[in-house]
Amino acid sequence: DIQMTQSPSSLSASVGDRVTITCRASQSISNYLNWYQQKPGKAPKLLIYSASSLQSGVPSRFSGSGSGTDFTLTIGSLQPEDFATYYCHQSYSTPPVYTFGQGTKLEIK
Amino acid sequence: QVQLQESGPGLVKPSETLSLTCTVSGGSISSYYWSWIRQPPGKGLEWIGFIYYDGSTNYNPSLKSRVTISVDTSKNQFSLKLSSVTAADTAVYYCARHDYIWGSYMDYWGQGTLVTVSS
Repeated sequence: DIQMTQSPSSLSASVGDRVTITCRASQSISNYLNWYQQKPGKAPKLLIYSASSLQSGVPSRFSGSGSGTDFTLTIGSLQPEDFATYYCHQSYSTPPVYTFGQGTKLEIK
Repeated sequence: QVQLQESGPGLVKPSETLSLTCTVSGGSISSYYWSWIRQPPGKGLEWIGFIYYDGSTNYNPSLKSRVTISVDTSKNQFSLKLSSVTAADTAVYYCARHDYIWGSYMDYWGQGTLVTVSS
């Protein structure tokens, strides 16, 4: 299976900060990398697909980049509603075995 | 607006079979892939498997021997069965939609349902 490793596992930041979360794949996954946001008690919500495409309705302060094995999710200016847990997800492996990163919990400083 | 809703027992005894159904509304189950994902309390996400509307399936090898996913297009539903459950199968179970296999992303999710395995 392709392993996905996120860093950091947790992060404290303030409203207005610029934040970057990293996801590394154990082998190249092209740009088959997605990012989700999950708030407590809620289902994950798609933010970014194909490494850098913004899902409809998601604020433009969210952006993604990367290809191959290294990817980043950047939040340009943190808003109070952005404090949540973020997961990366790969859909590259053959046969298909989808895997997620372990998550990054973004907390208020 | 597509909506997904999981349903099924919230409590299952050890060694028994967990059974859940996901009902799709606001759109057709046809021409899409449908996945089950689970999340143990306080932990991360684990993909269980998917089914295409034509009935073809693919499962996570770590669960393959115990998992069956089926679809009922007439009811716009798909279902999960997980046999021989243990406490380690206690989790919130989500259903989700994706357009294809490789390069896909899950754009619609159910709200999730907590299943506890306990005697």
